[in-house]
Amino acid sequence: GAVVSQHPSWVICKSGTSVKIECRSLDFQATTMFWYRQFPKQSLMLMATSNEGSKATYEQGVEKDKFLINHASLTLSTLTVTSAHPEDSSFYICSARDPGGWDTEAFFGQGTRLTVV
Amino acid sequence: DQQVKQNSPSLSVQEGRISILNCDYTNSMFDYFLWYKKYPAEGPTFLISISSIKDKNEDGRFTVFLNKSAKHLSLHIVPSQPGDSAVYFCAANKGGGADGLTFGKGTHLIIQP
Repeated sequence: GAVVSQHPSWVICKSGTSVKIECRSLDFQATTMFWYRQFPKQSLMLMATSNEGSKATYEQGVEKDKFLINHASLTLSTLTVTSAHPEDSSFYICSARDPGGWDTEAFFGQGTRLTVV
Repeated sequence: DQQVKQNSPSLSVQEGRISILNCDYTNSMFDYFLWYKKYPAEGPTFLISISSIKDKNEDGRFTVFLNKSAKHLSLHIVPSQPGDSAVYFCAANKGGGADGLTFGKGTHLIIQP
């Protein structure tokens, strides 16, 4: 199946700093990518939809100025957590749809464990 | 409001037996349903999906059943194997996939030897 690569797999940062997470589709071009967040023992919650060449669409309750999304090319989307705080510590996962694939099958990256200290 | 519900946080099944994971949804606009398997600190891995125009889809040991009138779907794994131990997420989508997925909270499946 299609491959989505996410980097880094884990990061520890100091409170107040910014962290960038990259999501790449390795063998297909993704006009749309999605960013999710998962807190311990909780479901994956959609944060935003990243659209190549246009602004991201954020879900209700997600601060767009805090979680900056850039979809600069058809194979790369980045999520930057700005001025991170301990409550932002979570597991962040991206996904992408293969437009050549059937219906709405989505492939996920490996996830990034963010710990803010 | 949880639109996709997995009411069993965990399920223990003996190796070789059938595992049945259940999922209920409330949004009648959902028209595509997926099951994902997830290990700790990894992204979900796609298992199987079903469109709302079908009531069953089978792929090897995995079968998904959809009961639209009851807004219920289930994943059957038979025979269950030790490698099946993981957290299973039910997810739903609407409108041809332009939107992100809505996930349930997951069910931790434990296969006993």
